[in-house]
Amino acid sequence: DAGITQSPRHKVTETGTPVTLRCHQTENHRYMYWYRQDPGHGLRLIHYSYGVKDTDKGEVSDGYSVSRSKTEDFLLTLESATSSQTSVYFCAISALGQGGTEAFFGQGTRLTVV
Amino acid sequence: QKEVEQDPGPLSVPEGAIVSLNCTYSNSAFQYFMWYRQYSRKGPELLMYTYSSGNKEDGRFTAQVDKSSKYISLFIRDSQPSDSATYLCAMIYTGTASKLTFGTGTRLQVTL
Repeated sequence: DAGITQSPRHKVTETGTPVTLRCHQTENHRYMYWYRQDPGHGLRLIHYSYGVKDTDKGEVSDGYSVSRSKTEDFLLTLESATSSQTSVYFCAISALGQGGTEAFFGQGTRLTVV
Repeated sequence: QKEVEQDPGPLSVPEGAIVSLNCTYSNSAFQYFMWYRQYSRKGPELLMYTYSSGNKEDGRFTAQVDKSSKYISLFIRDSQPSDSATYLCAMIYTGTASKLTFGTGTRLQVTL
């Protein structure tokens, strides 16, 4: 299995509180992605990174920010959590541009905002 | 219009049937195409990966890409109950900042 670890795996938080999810990789892949998965919507891209300090928005980026200060870590922050952000969050990595293209996923983080 | 369209199903087939799963896309820049399988409450796992138009076979699975029609397919032969899962197509184009874009997924149920 690709070396991707998401933490925490489960979290319950209150509306209005900040939340940070972490994705850690040991593969030295250039690309990292954050998705959310909701019934009827599939996987929707929140933000992605194509290098240290290089990030861009996906289709559902409102209310989320990201940071990548090291190749191995990609953080997703909900500045002020809302109930609509209750979802399962997946991190993915890809070696695009490094001789590989396939993306590999972490185990997911189940976030509940109450 | 979404860049990648996929019928959500659910699709129910008897064991042993041939399954055909499909996606269409609108962005002709997509160059790499992937199929993922996702079991309930698990992360997606890569099943097949193709680059060019044509067929690629791996055991009971065949991935087909038709770039002229912007259409990709995944065929599963001799389907098994263990194939019951959601299947997601995904695609990407190369470039400085390339997004990996998914279809919504098709839920497949293989019955005994």
